Amino acid sequence: GAVVSQHPSWVICKSGTSVKIECRSLDFQATTMFWYRQFPKQSLMLMATSNEGSKATYEQGVEKDKFLINHASLTLSTLTVTSAHPEDSSFYICSARSFDEQFFGPGTRLTVL
Amino acid sequence: KQEVTQIPAALSVPEGENLVLNCSFTDSAIYNLQWFRQDPGKGLTSLLLIQSSQREQTSGRLNASLDKSSGRSTLYIAASQPGDSATYLCAVRIWGGSEKLVFGKGTKLTVNP
Repeated sequence: GAVVSQHPSWVICKSGTSVKIECRSLDFQATTMFWYRQFPKQSLMLMATSNEGSKATYEQGVEKDKFLINHASLTLSTLTVTSAHPEDSSFYICSARSFDEQFFGPGTRLTVL
Repeated sequence: KQEVTQIPAALSVPEGENLVLNCSFTDSAIYNLQWFRQDPGKGLTSLLLIQSSQREQTSGRLNASLDKSSGRSTLYIAASQPGDSATYLCAVRIWGGSEKLVFGKGTKLTVNP
């Protein structure tokens, strides 16, 4: 199957700082990428859908000014958590769509102190 | 609103046993259904994709079936191995323009040696 990478795999930061997470489709071009958040022992919660070259579509309840998404190319999307706070600590997973199938990255564990 | 339910929430079996994981969805107007595997602290690995027009898909020891009219899918794992231990997630893609995958909460499988 297609490969999606994420960087970093984990990050620890101080409250108030911003953190950027990169998501790349390594062997295919993805016009659509997705960002999910997963709490312990819970399923994935879709945060936003991003299309290359256009603004992301955020799910209800997700602050777009807090979670900035940029999909600048067909192989790269970034999620920036601005002014992170401890409640933003979570596991963030990106996904890229190739035809009818969705492939997921390995996830990024964010811990905000 | 599409809802996806997975039963059981957890399952523990001895090595070598054949097993079935269940997934049900409330709206039969789906585009496709995907089964994923998630290991602790990791992203999702796509196992099988079934299009709405298909009845089943097979990959190695895995077989997934789809009965769209009744809103059900099953994942059959033959001759289970300890390495199959993981959480298995079912997700449906809705028809009608939305590209979202709606996830179930997963079944946590433990295969005991």
